[in-house]
Formats: sequence, structure tokens, C-alpha cells
Amino acid sequence: NAGVTQTPKFQVLKTGQSMTLQCAQDMNHNSMYWYRQDPGMGLRLIYYSASEGTTDKGEVPNGYNVSRLNKREFSLRLESAAPSQTSVYFCASSVAGGRKETQYFGPGTRLLVL
Amino acid sequence: GENVEQHPSTLSVQEGDSAVIKCTYSDSASNYFPWYKQELGKRPQLIIDIRSNVGEKKDQRIAVTLNKTAKHFSLHITETQPEDSAVYFCAAIRFGNEKLTFGTGTRLTIIP
Repeated sequence: NAGVTQTPKFQVLKTGQSMTLQCAQDMNHNSMYWYRQDPGMGLRLIYYSASEGTTDKGEVPNGYNVSRLNKREFSLRLESAAPSQTSVYFCASSVAGGRKETQYFGPGTRLLVL
Repeated sequence: GENVEQHPSTLSVQEGDSAVIKCTYSDSASNYFPWYKQELGKRPQLIIDIRSNVGEKKDQRIAVTLNKTAKHFSLHITETQPEDSAVYFCAAIRFGNEKLTFGTGTRLTIIP
């Protein structure tokens, strides 16, 4: 199993450009998450999807949109990138429901907005 | 909502000594507490977790303790080694809730 995969690994954008970050998991997990990580700020939740067909806002959703394409895939879109969105983005997944709440992270996407 | 505070933000210990990182949480209904280790440039990875029905859990050199009354939990690393150098995050969640709440992280440096 590949676990959680993310593409691209690194991206440079100009202010105002758009892009989509892709995430996929092959663990048959129900829940998927997008976090951003900035120095000294820890992990902040952007959006999450508790199950296929549902999405909800996290702590810092402004400037982002998400799509839960199917059970495996959860994408994050920046419609008009801003320098404040320079960060490392992590996707994660978990079984959810019952007593399994452990989240497994992807390798991350490093985004630089100029 | 849940709030998790983590201390210290940085910690340096001599190789072979012990390291302790502490977290407090605000939601008394939280019942699952994982710890993640993040090496430089890598993803966070689960190293140990504890559920609210136990007070302590140990895995080789790593242990976690939980005090539900005081609403705090701690990570203990004994006989530290250079490969223990990383950022450690605590987190808390209530079963059925979808959102983990993370602490702000502790940068642990092991001095050879």
C-alpha cells in the first residue's frame, strides 16, 4: 500500500494564479483532511471530509476550496493564490467512526507564492 | 471547541538523558490522545497514542501518561538518541468528532 500520496511535491505560483493540490489514499479510509503547516504555528486544519460526498470547514478555510472526488481522492484548490498561502500542505486520512481516530499523513506539498 | 497547549516549545537534552513534553487540553470529553513525530522535511508520523481508559502506555523507550482529572498528558522519552531529534506534536479528540486538535509542537534536540 502506498498509504497517502500527494502531488505535486513542490510548486511555485505567482500571486493570483490558481492551482489544485491532489491527495489520494489507498487504505479505504472514510475521512480525509487538509492541513497547512507554518513555522511556529503547528498544524492547522483547512477543510475535512468525513465521508464521500461531504466536506466541512476547518480552522482556516478562507481562500481555499475542496472536492471529495470519491472515497480515495480529496483535492484542495487555491483559486487566487496569495503570498500568505505560502506554506507546507499536508493531506491526511483516517478510518473515522467507531474507535479508530488515528490520522495518517501524506508527504506534503511545499507551496511558494511570489 | 477543544484547545491543546503544549510545552516547552523547544527542548535540548544530552544524549542518554530523558525528555518530557507536556500537553494540556480543555475538553473533558476528549478521550483519544496521539503523539506525532515530525523529522525535518518529513511528514508527521504517529509514534504512540493513549485512550482515556488507561493512565499510562509504554512502547520501548517511549511512554505516555494521562491525567484525566487535571486534563494533561505527557510524552516521556528515555535514553535519548540522536535520531530522537525532531518536532513532536500532541493532539486530542473526542471519539465521533472528526477533527483532531493539535498542540503547537516541541522541537527536541539531542546533544551528542
